Amino acid sequence: SQTIHQWPATLVQPVGSPLSLECTVEGTSNPNLYWYRQAAGRGLQLLFYSVGIGQISSEVPQNLSASRPQDRQFILSSKKLLLSDSGFYLCAWRQNTEAFFGQGTRLTVV
Amino acid sequence: GQQLNQSPQSMFIQEGEDVSMNCTSSSIFNTWLWYKQDPGEGPVLLIALYKAGELTSNGRLTAQFGITRKDSFLNISASIPSDVGIYFCAGQDPNYGGSQGNLIFGKGTKLSVKP
Repeated sequence: SQTIHQWPATLVQPVGSPLSLECTVEGTSNPNLYWYRQAAGRGLQLLFYSVGIGQISSEVPQNLSASRPQDRQFILSSKKLLLSDSGFYLCAWRQNTEAFFGQGTRLTVV
Repeated sequence: GQQLNQSPQSMFIQEGEDVSMNCTSSSIFNTWLWYKQDPGEGPVLLIALYKAGELTSNGRLTAQFGITRKDSFLNISASIPSDVGIYFCAGQDPNYGGSQGNLIFGKGTKLSVKP
């Protein structure tokens, strides 16, 4: 069966520091992968999606970037974090129309 | 762009009561999904609907895909304390060109259950 792993679960980073969140999927090949941000426990905002290795589409302009170095690996990065980057970040993969989410990363920028 | 309105925003109910929440969209969707999110965790898929008029159950949960394809509802019968969480609807707009049909999420319904 397919599983999705996302880490770390929580992260506290100072303003201006770099960020790297990792997501991996097991049990499927060539998945569509997604990064969402959830602010204040509500509403999911799509940040990036990828349909294959090296293929990244950004939905909103921001201080973050994404990369897909391997088929089942999706990374969310930032060179310099802002206070406004705080939030709950979720990785997801899609099977047809259904999306399956990781456990999420709570990022607090201080 | 697409808009999806989910209501109510929050509900406070007594254990044993039935719950109803719904989502409406400004455009036609070809898929409706309902998720539940526990605090500090990722959303978990509860029910998926693919055809207009479709009525699907998952235990005490029942969801329907509206005939107009612009709405969906989720009912929870005989609520229990573990039903607490945030429930999200999501719809796929077939006319959206990005990411093979983007999923649009509602803002969630926060459910609180008093024992």
